[in-house]
Amino acid sequence: QITLKESGPTLVKPTQTLTLTCTFSGFSLSTSGVGVGWIRQPPGKALEWLALIYWDDDKRYSPSLKSRLTITKDTSKNQVVLTMTNMDPVDTATYYCAHRPGPRGPIDYWGQGTLVTVSS
Amino acid sequence: QLVLTQSPSASASLGASVKLTCTLSSGHSSYAIAWHQQQPEKGPRYLMKLNSDGSHSKGDGIPDRFSGSSSGAERYLTISSLQSEDEADYYCQTWGTGTVVFGGGTKLTVL
Repeated sequence: QITLKESGPTLVKPTQTLTLTCTFSGFSLSTSGVGVGWIRQPPGKALEWLALIYWDDDKRYSPSLKSRLTITKDTSKNQVVLTMTNMDPVDTATYYCAHRPGPRGPIDYWGQGTLVTVSS
Repeated sequence: QLVLTQSPSASASLGASVKLTCTLSSGHSSYAIAWHQQQPEKGPRYLMKLNSDGSHSKGDGIPDRFSGSSSGAERYLTISSLQSEDEADYYCQTWGTGTVVFGGGTKLTVL
């Protein structure tokens, strides 16, 4: 059974750096093809893909946010970490991590999400 | 540019069927997509992967009421025997070289 859970601060100040951790179980990020990604959803708005990291440490980023994002993995801990720099109120959103079984496949499992509010 | 277009809203009566549409941008009509459901105040749930030939594979525990089909650049999600819990936002998702794309979502109201 695949599960993912996001953790991190619920409130950050403008200009700060956000660090979110995705802790997962039921699969290994050392398995060929597997990836874990981050997606966010501002209140009342659509889903927006942010970043993906694959089993071989290949990393992919949303072009519009690439300069602010870093994704890393700790295979031994079954964790993926996303950092986003220079946070702004428009970055207020629920942040989800998700499992992807391969680079040519869909996202097939989602975490429950964590709401991050950016406010001074 | 890889873009997915969805109608913002749809509605259908309890017990009826509804067909939601996701349209791939020009030049991308061969792409597979995925459908995800997001019930109110919940996280998304994967429904199925839908290929350009209409073949599809569903996620764990997805009822037979949910099915997919394709025609050209359009990908469809059909929900039959609508139930109240089907009232949700439905997102299509696809992938290209190093990128993942979501549609804007369709809000389904069950009357």
